[in-house]
Amino acid sequence: AQSVTQLDSHVSVSEGTPVLLRCNYSSSYSPSLFWYVQHPNKGLQLLLKYTSAATLVKGINGFEAEFKKSETSFHLTKPSAHMSDAAEYFCVVTLNTGNQFYFGTGTSLTVIP
Amino acid sequence: EPEVTQTPSHQVTQMGQEVILRCVPISNHLYFYWYRQILGQKVEFLVSFYNNEISEKSEIFDDQFSVERPDGSNFTLKIRSTKLEDSAMYFCASSPSTGPSGANVLTFGAGSRLTVL
Repeated sequence: AQSVTQLDSHVSVSEGTPVLLRCNYSSSYSPSLFWYVQHPNKGLQLLLKYTSAATLVKGINGFEAEFKKSETSFHLTKPSAHMSDAAEYFCVVTLNTGNQFYFGTGTSLTVIP
Repeated sequence: EPEVTQTPSHQVTQMGQEVILRCVPISNHLYFYWYRQILGQKVEFLVSFYNNEISEKSEIFDDQFSVERPDGSNFTLKIRSTKLEDSAMYFCASSPSTGPSGANVLTFGAGSRLTVL
């Protein structure tokens, strides 16, 4: 079975400081992993994806994530937070052969000026 | 950039009424999905659709739900007799493909908020 755990429901950082949003996954097979972002009243936007290629994945808006199989983690990072990064972030897992995506419960990121 | 569009953005309905949520997927995509997010809860998979038939569905997707691709562009979710617990944000998504060569990437719409009174 596949599942995703987002360890923090809410993260608050100051503008210009690093962002770390944590995600651990459980999968019986080789997973593909994604981070999506949801701004208020907007749809879910893909930030980045891991699909068994390079373990360090770079996404949009300066975000990146590292797939660590030994730790079953796929944490999202950004060196310097911007006010526009304030949003809800979802870690998502799926099988390469499947079309069912499993969402984490989300992490709400607040950026303090 | 191509988008998935959903209508209506917000619908309020009385319990027991039928509701149809509409989606226009990205034109060259082959796989279509509905997800829902009850307020304060996680995003949940409802159903996936390919080649004019349901390919997977969750336990949530019971007999009161149905999906249809009535023409070449629209993808609809119908809830036959709405219940209070159907109040949620419903997201449509589409993807170009799926398979072992690499995971499909879903492009989501902005969502349709359904409020059942």
